[in-house]
Amino acid sequence: EAGVVQSPRYKIIEKKQPVAFWCNPISGHNTLYWYRQNLGQGPELLIRYENEEAVDDSQLPKDRFSAERLKGVDSTLKIQPAELGDSAVYLCASSYPTGYYNEQFFGPGTRLTVL
Amino acid sequence: QKEVEQNSGPLSVPEGAIASLNCTYSDRGSQSFFWYRQYSGKSPELIMFIYSNGDKEDGRFTAQLNKASQYVSLLIRDSQPSDSATYLCAVSPSNTGKLIFGQGTTLQVKP
Repeated sequence: EAGVVQSPRYKIIEKKQPVAFWCNPISGHNTLYWYRQNLGQGPELLIRYENEEAVDDSQLPKDRFSAERLKGVDSTLKIQPAELGDSAVYLCASSYPTGYYNEQFFGPGTRLTVL
Repeated sequence: QKEVEQNSGPLSVPEGAIASLNCTYSDRGSQSFFWYRQYSGKSPELIMFIYSNGDKEDGRFTAQLNKASQYVSLLIRDSQPSDSATYLCAVSPSNTGKLIFGQGTTLQVKP
């Protein structure tokens, strides 16, 4: 079974440029998460989708970040314009919720460097 | 106060010893608790989950939960150099479907 796929793996941009990340979750997983992980920190949730619906985007900086999950499968996270502080690893995860237990499977991440 | 707290370490143990990793959380309504392992430059992978008070064992790993003290721990017996990684504690608040991660504890197992 294929895992969570993310692209690109690495991205270097200058500040004020736009950038987009793509995620394809594990087949059949209806819940998709985008996390940001800063160096030396744990992942922080940016947005959570249940199928096509964004059910938790309280931590998404909406002035510059946007996300979409068309048809409830693939998802794209966009930053426009990027700032120096956006340099981090952006992780996508997916899960099939089953009561209390909700194992999230992570993709390899996209390492963003903003110069 | 952070919602999930871990000592960032590094925690250094000799090969074959028991490594003890600790985590405290602030939300008393939290229902489930997870330990993820993250190798340098890699993504987190789940190694244990627990949602009942007490101990849960899986091979060399034992997760311990004490909801009254709001405390979760992970014991790794017979530590191996391949266990050297950052261990992330994650907590799921009641009925939210989300995970809140601690900052992680770096474990170094020396041969």
